[in-house]
Amino acid sequence: QKEVEQNSGPLSVPEGAIASLNCTYSDRGSQSFFWYRQYSGKSPELIMFIYSNGDKEDGRFTAQLNKASQYVSLLIRDSQPSDSATYLCAVKRDDKIIFGKGTRLHILP
Amino acid sequence: DADVTQTPRNRITKTGKRIMLECSQTKGHDRMYWYRQDPGLGLRLIYYSFDVKDINKGEISDGYSVSRQAQAKFSLSLESAIPNQTALYFCATSETGAGNTIYFGEGSWLTVV
Repeated sequence: QKEVEQNSGPLSVPEGAIASLNCTYSDRGSQSFFWYRQYSGKSPELIMFIYSNGDKEDGRFTAQLNKASQYVSLLIRDSQPSDSATYLCAVKRDDKIIFGKGTRLHILP
Repeated sequence: DADVTQTPRNRITKTGKRIMLECSQTKGHDRMYWYRQDPGLGLRLIYYSFDVKDINKGEISDGYSVSRQAQAKFSLSLESAIPNQTALYFCATSETGAGNTIYFGEGSWLTVV
């Protein structure tokens, strides 16, 4: 089992709808969880991080963490064409940051 | 100017050649990392360093070496490049604590022919 798993996509979502991105992790000792956005050929940019169970909101983005289920998600409300990118889930374990392979998101105009 | 600077940004080299990728940062972070990214394989950790005297292997360190010359500088070397080391390489930094948020450089495209 991979440490951090994401569906590779592509996930296609109509403009204005909610995009839901999911990530599971294998190590219960994982401490912090991150979502990064990466445009093709560019470096990843941090969207937000979360370390407590529940929801964390920042603008149009909401991260959700469920440690019992080892599951973290990212919701993007009012999706825009500029949200089309690859979204990387990352997990901190023992001072190392491990990334999933990413989910490609395509917002349909 | 970028907070995390990588040089060169693009390089084509021949099999068997030695190549060094350099990284410098102005963020004042203690921790520095080297990742490689391949299509379909995501970001994989090569080496990381928590201070000048600390070097640690990541998931895929074979064929690579690193040097932490100063708090702000962390270089990655391929002693004898091979074609399957063709990839996009990222240097990154983070603070101790504060969730360890990682900040990436702009990336270095390396092609080994």
